Amino acid sequence: QQQVKQSPQSLIVQKGGISIINCAYENTAFDYFPWYQQFPGKGPALLIAIRPDVSEKKEGRFTISFNKSAKQFSLHIMDSQPGDSATYFCAASHRGGATNKLIFGTGTLLAVQP
Amino acid sequence: DSGVTQTPKHLITATGQRVTLRCSPRSGDLSVYWYQQSLDQGLQFLIQYYNGEERAKGNILERFSAQQFPDLHSELNLSSLELGDSALYFCASSSRFGTSGDTDTQYFGPGTRLTVL
Repeated sequence: QQQVKQSPQSLIVQKGGISIINCAYENTAFDYFPWYQQFPGKGPALLIAIRPDVSEKKEGRFTISFNKSAKQFSLHIMDSQPGDSATYFCAASHRGGATNKLIFGTGTLLAVQP
Repeated sequence: DSGVTQTPKHLITATGQRVTLRCSPRSGDLSVYWYQQSLDQGLQFLIQYYNGEERAKGNILERFSAQQFPDLHSELNLSSLELGDSALYFCASSSRFGTSGDTDTQYFGPGTRLTVL
């Protein structure tokens, strides 16, 4: 019940295209859903995050879509650029619990071809 | 640069040995988290400290321990090392975690790559 399932494992997109990464969770107590971006040799960095009281959040080219009833959320990267090539992790946490530890998905390796 | 520092960057050691990983959180952050990243297990939460006290434990082995000092830096101690402990170990920090249960951004350090031979 603590798992966050992420797909696809890897993704190749042409420059200018849309990258879509999907995540699903089971624990309905989760109430914070961030996406992290990780470049080789670096630590994960927060990209964008959403709470379940909204269905969509957009920041620049990055959009999170959230479907509470389906317990799914996704990251859309519009106008994908070669510089977006990285590993993307979805995560979830429960702010009302004893800890706000992050439960991570398994990651998606994105390659944007020029 | 997240403001979280970790030392050392790389660590190579032998099975059975003990190592200490160090983390300095962002200035003013009270909460420190340790995560392990490996190819087969992904990013997994190990342990959290808040203002010097242990807050939560995740999938942390009994051979591993951690502490947070009065100056808020944290150390992760790994003992009786096995080949399977080879991984990236990340520290993250956040500004607060209080009884209100607010969740705020966790900022990750650059990690320590541990190789056990």
